[in-house]
Amino acid sequence: AQKITQTQPGMFVQEKEAVTLDCTYDTSDPSYGLFWYKQPSSGEMIFLIYQGSYDQQNATEGRYSLNFQKARKSANLVISASQLGDSAMYFCAMREPTGNQFYFGTGTSLTVIP
Amino acid sequence: EAGVTQSPTHLIKTRGQQATLRCSPISGHTSVYWYQQALGLGLQFLLWYDEGEERNRGNFPPRFSGRQFPNYSSELNVNALELEDSALYLCASSLGRALAGGVTNEKLFFGSGTQLSVL
Repeated sequence: AQKITQTQPGMFVQEKEAVTLDCTYDTSDPSYGLFWYKQPSSGEMIFLIYQGSYDQQNATEGRYSLNFQKARKSANLVISASQLGDSAMYFCAMREPTGNQFYFGTGTSLTVIP
Repeated sequence: EAGVTQSPTHLIKTRGQQATLRCSPISGHTSVYWYQQALGLGLQFLLWYDEGEERNRGNFPPRFSGRQFPNYSSELNVNALELEDSALYLCASSLGRALAGGVTNEKLFFGSGTQLSVL
């Protein structure tokens, strides 16, 4: 089974609108971390936001927030007030502390339309 | 503080040749991960080194190999290059198992990648 699933290969959003990028995960470890990374066309991977499995509140970092639904094993990224510079690939990832393993999804390509 | 550095930035080889890619982790990081990213696709896990040892490898043929040196820098070698090896190769580092075992919030720090083109 896939550890991280991103079902949206591509998404479009109007500038200044909010957009949600989906991510589901699979683990039997009670302790894990969830991450979102942004990859612009230049190729570098930029860390956006982190959510721990025991965190009671959803993580927020500026315009980024993580909609964490533990029972559903989903960790969707919400970008508010989209900007043209948000156009990029977005990857969801999970870290299982036992073994220090990281798992990445296949990514979602986001295009912000002016 | 220097980030993860990769060299070279670009590498052009012909089919059948060997390629060597290098990665220096952030100071204090002992874990190094290698990923392959073909054009327009996601990250494919290649190799994970921690404290000098190979801890895990992805579903790649044995001609993809590497090593980690005592200073925790790492080298990825690709032998008998094939056209489909053309991709962006990303290196990432994090605290190793000794310090980060049991921790969930230790993220990966990525380098800028090596773009390998096989002609």
